[in-house]
Amino acid sequence: GGIITQTPKFLIGQEGQKLTLKCQQNFNHDTMYWYRQDSGKGLRLIYYSITENDLQKGDLSEGYDASREKKSSFSLTVTSAQKNEMAVFLCASSIARGDTQYFGPGTRLLVL
Amino acid sequence: GDQVEQSPSALSLHEGTGSALRCNFTTTMRAVQWFRKNSRGSLINLFYLASGTKENGRLKSAFDSKERYSTLHIRDAQLEDSGTYFCAAERGSALGRLHFGAGTQLIVIP
Repeated sequence: GGIITQTPKFLIGQEGQKLTLKCQQNFNHDTMYWYRQDSGKGLRLIYYSITENDLQKGDLSEGYDASREKKSSFSLTVTSAQKNEMAVFLCASSIARGDTQYFGPGTRLLVL
Repeated sequence: GDQVEQSPSALSLHEGTGSALRCNFTTTMRAVQWFRKNSRGSLINLFYLASGTKENGRLKSAFDSKERYSTLHIRDAQLEDSGTYFCAAERGSALGRLHFGAGTQLIVIP
């Protein structure tokens, strides 16, 4: 088995601030994903990466950057936090595209 | 637009009873996953199906790509089954891009 670690667990930011969320997986999976979940809604894909240094836009990429520094890690940057924004950001990984995705515990964001 | 319609949005079950959750798709999907979000907020994998049915304990899932739906049946519900259940599906033309339903909040009552 493996595990997905997301840091930080909670993130409080200021309006306009650049915020970075990190994700690590030890499954040795090729593909990693970042999703955003808003209250009462399903997850929406922000970015994904099929291999180291690869980056693919999802449905919600505007306002975000991402970086796949190495196979085991995938970071997400909120380029300019929006006031009163509140969401959970979930990282996932899979052996390859189209395979079962496994999720991390999430980072909860609150922007004051 | 939304490609996955999940129902019901909320469900209450007495312990020992059962019910079904359903996801309808507006387009042909290649595969579906079902998850449960536990009290700590973690998404727990329940099933991955590319076709047919799978069963695991008191849970059973079915996926019909042609008819564009998937179901999750829960039988003999227990208190620990409470949580929010999500289906997520992907198109064959966009592998890895899961489209999530809005979730079903299940409460199991003693």
